[in-house]
Amino acid sequence: ILNVEQSPQSLHVQEGDSTNFTCSFPSSNFYALHWYRWETAKSPEALFVMTLNGDEKKKGRISATLNTKEGYSYLYIKGSQPEDSATYLCAFPGSGYSTLTFGKGTMLLVSP
Amino acid sequence: DVKVTQSSRYLVKRTGEKVFLECVQDMDHENMFWYRQDPGLGLRLIYFSYDVKMKEKGDIPEGYSVSREKKERFSLILESASTNQTSMYLCASSLAGLGSNQPQHFGDGTRLSIL
Repeated sequence: ILNVEQSPQSLHVQEGDSTNFTCSFPSSNFYALHWYRWETAKSPEALFVMTLNGDEKKKGRISATLNTKEGYSYLYIKGSQPEDSATYLCAFPGSGYSTLTFGKGTMLLVSP
Repeated sequence: DVKVTQSSRYLVKRTGEKVFLECVQDMDHENMFWYRQDPGLGLRLIYFSYDVKMKEKGDIPEGYSVSREKKERFSLILESASTNQTSMYLCASSLAGLGSNQPQHFGDGTRLSIL
């Protein structure tokens, strides 16, 4: 089973703060790195699929960067809002066809 | 938008029962997946299917089986439910893609309790 590590495990910030968290993955045989957001009582939602070293993707106030050579990706949230409260998951292709191995997630709580 | 529908949000069953969890997707996706999510363990893959009647074991297949008779439907079966199968179960689907470069689309989950 591949090792996908996320840190921190949880984070509590105030509204308006900017924050970031990390996903570490095996740097050999890279194909893609996925980020998902999972809000309570909803289904996980894909944020980004990143495939190129140095890639940077943006969706509103959320952005992500990718370093495939050293095996990490950062997710940034600028000016956090309470609606950003969720668990953020990263995932790396698993050993099976089209499968993903998920990290345990970073749980973000944004207080008003 | 892709819609992945799981048949139940909450389910309570008894030990030893045969349990069926159903999942339907409406976007003609080739791949379908079943995961379970437990506190502190994250999402773990139980089984997946890349085509009708095709199935592959994931990381934790013991105690489970699956069925994919039609492309849009993927069923997870607990042959004889046990209390350690109490969990949140999530179904997902995706297009076929090279190196898993296609995002997965998830259902809302079924919270299953085995008493």
